[in-house]
Amino acid sequence: SAVISQKPSRDICQRGTSLTIQCQVDSQVTMMFWYRQQPGQSLTLIATANQGSEATYESGFVIDKFPISRPNLTFSTLTVSNMSPEDSSIYLCSVVASPSTDTQYFGPGTRLTVL
Amino acid sequence: AQKVTQAQTEISVVEKEDVTLDCVYETRDTTYYLFWYKQPPSGELVFLIRRNSFDEQNEISGRYSWNFQKSTSSFNFTITASQVVDSAVYFCALSEMGKTGANNLFFGTGTRLTVIP
Repeated sequence: SAVISQKPSRDICQRGTSLTIQCQVDSQVTMMFWYRQQPGQSLTLIATANQGSEATYESGFVIDKFPISRPNLTFSTLTVSNMSPEDSSIYLCSVVASPSTDTQYFGPGTRLTVL
Repeated sequence: AQKVTQAQTEISVVEKEDVTLDCVYETRDTTYYLFWYKQPPSGELVFLIRRNSFDEQNEISGRYSWNFQKSTSSFNFTITASQVVDSAVYFCALSEMGKTGANNLFFGTGTRLTVIP
């Protein structure tokens, strides 16, 4: 498995502002993902963070709202832009440490509240 | 299409009782993985187990056991002698083998387990 950290662990933000969430892994991984979990819901995949190129977004998510960077194989950021209360969620990054197992390991999550 | 169903939205048990969380899946693939994750109140998603479609042997890990039955497309999770620390939301998930990538991990809606002291 991999050890994954996220910063910040939680934040309370004002409407219209942006927040950047960091995801750091203790080893190089091939695949990194970003998920959103709205209150009381299951996880929804936002995008795959591709190293050195633009992220691959799922239906319903766009780069202008959720820009993602992945400058190397151990680090990625997700920005939630122009926030509204509907963006209040837990945001989680996950990694696949070994493609042969297809197992995703998740970070501790960032709990975001937008007022 | 892939689908994971966790029909039990919420379960409450008294401490030391056994509890089984149900998971039923649908997939057209013959090779796939099944997972269980635990999400305690802190929000972190903790990996518990992965089973591949070739291996129907039940697995036991301490108080946890998993029953995989391809005939009924089920992958149920039993906690024996439940403890308050088991209180969490539990997610069952499915992925198609060899297709690691975007949109390849399908989650159920989760079962919230509350263990009452």
